[in-house]
Amino acid sequence: DAKTTQPPSMDCAEGRAANLPCNHSTISGNEYVYWYRQIHSQGPQYIIHGLKNNETNEMASLIITEDRKSSTLILPHATLRDTAVYYCIATRSGGYQKVTFGTGTKLQVIP
Amino acid sequence: EPEVTQTPSHQVTQMGQEVILRCVPISNHLYFYWYRQILGQKVEFLVSFYNNEISEKSEIFDDQFSVERPDGSNFTLKIRSTKLEDSAMYFCATIAGEGNIQYFGAGTRLSVL
Repeated sequence: DAKTTQPPSMDCAEGRAANLPCNHSTISGNEYVYWYRQIHSQGPQYIIHGLKNNETNEMASLIITEDRKSSTLILPHATLRDTAVYYCIATRSGGYQKVTFGTGTKLQVIP
Repeated sequence: EPEVTQTPSHQVTQMGQEVILRCVPISNHLYFYWYRQILGQKVEFLVSFYNNEISEKSEIFDDQFSVERPDGSNFTLKIRSTKLEDSAMYFCATIAGEGNIQYFGAGTRLSVL
């Protein structure tokens, strides 16, 4: 898995967009960018993943730069329930390999 | 979202005792994983399991740990002789086989006294 770098913490006002950056400058061509989050001590929750095109689902949008060296997870209208640790992971899709979690970004949504 | 069920939610045990943590994976999922998270630390991979065999295990997964799928549905993690440092949250996860999206259970909090 390629190394990823994320800021340790961020704040976001409730109702505003939360933009969480991730650097993965050594990502290889067959590695996808995955995002998970962990709310308090609950099990990690899958959010979204992508290879090179921008992706959107009901939870979030993922913007990957053209050179694929960085990406941004966007929560369009953050709520208090989005307060969590967000993990960016660069890994192959398929192969069913383990997820290697880093320390992530602690997002605090402020009322 | 598909649901992975773990029991018990909290297990308290004495040091040296055996514990069995249980996971009911999503019915058509084929790949199973155990992770643990010591309080305040990262989520760490323990073991992966496919077709009734261990596919990969970490250094943490020593001879004190074992996994099995005894009845074709439940997936269990056994710790033979618990140590104080085994106190942690233990998470089960599964994959259907499409992509690498892992679905995690809510976890079992193991407290070793």
